[in-house]
Amino acid sequence: KAGVTQTPRYLIKTRGQQVTLSCSPISGHRSVSWYQQTPGQGLQFLFEYFSETQRNKGNFPGRFSGRQFSNSRSEMNVSTLELGDSALYLCASRPTSGRAGEQYFGPGTRLTVT
Amino acid sequence: TQLLEQSPQFLSIQEGENLTVYCNSSSVFSSLQWYRQEPGEGPVLLVTVVTGGEVKKLKRLTFQFGDARKDSSLHITAAQPGDTGLYLCAGADFNKFYFGSGTKLNVKP
Repeated sequence: KAGVTQTPRYLIKTRGQQVTLSCSPISGHRSVSWYQQTPGQGLQFLFEYFSETQRNKGNFPGRFSGRQFSNSRSEMNVSTLELGDSALYLCASRPTSGRAGEQYFGPGTRLTVT
Repeated sequence: TQLLEQSPQFLSIQEGENLTVYCNSSSVFSSLQWYRQEPGEGPVLLVTVVTGGEVKKLKRLTFQFGDARKDSSLHITAAQPGDTGLYLCAGADFNKFYFGSGTKLNVKP
């Protein structure tokens, strides 16, 4: 079974721009979560989508948004980028029948905001 | 404020040494996971512990869940350079997930 894939792997954007990141979960997984990882804050939960609906949301500003499509693929959008948004953005999927915390992560998208 | 506190934050040891990493919380979790992350990659799930007092072994790695399901430990026996990485614990509370700040392990040959 193919793992979680994320595109692009690397991205450089300018402050004020917006960006869209893509995630394809493991086949059959309907839950997709997004995380931001920085050296200072560690791994922080952004949101989770299940069957095209946002099921949970972390404490991030409204500039961070996401959506999920009928094939479970998910996109994350960040508008009006700030320097502090530079981070590794990770996507994780999990099976419906699995334990809550057992997630399978993609390799991440490294976003640099200049 | 981190819900899960990991210690130590950094650990640099020689090949063959033993080590223990701790994950502590004031909250009770329905389950707790340990992940390992290598540079430039996403975390990889190592183990899930569910029952208080549970001990699980994965080759040279031993995981323990505290009796009160608030803390956990990871013990590595005879560490090898291939064990180098960032070790993360994560707690699940219904459908919300909380990660510790991680322990960066470096095993020198």
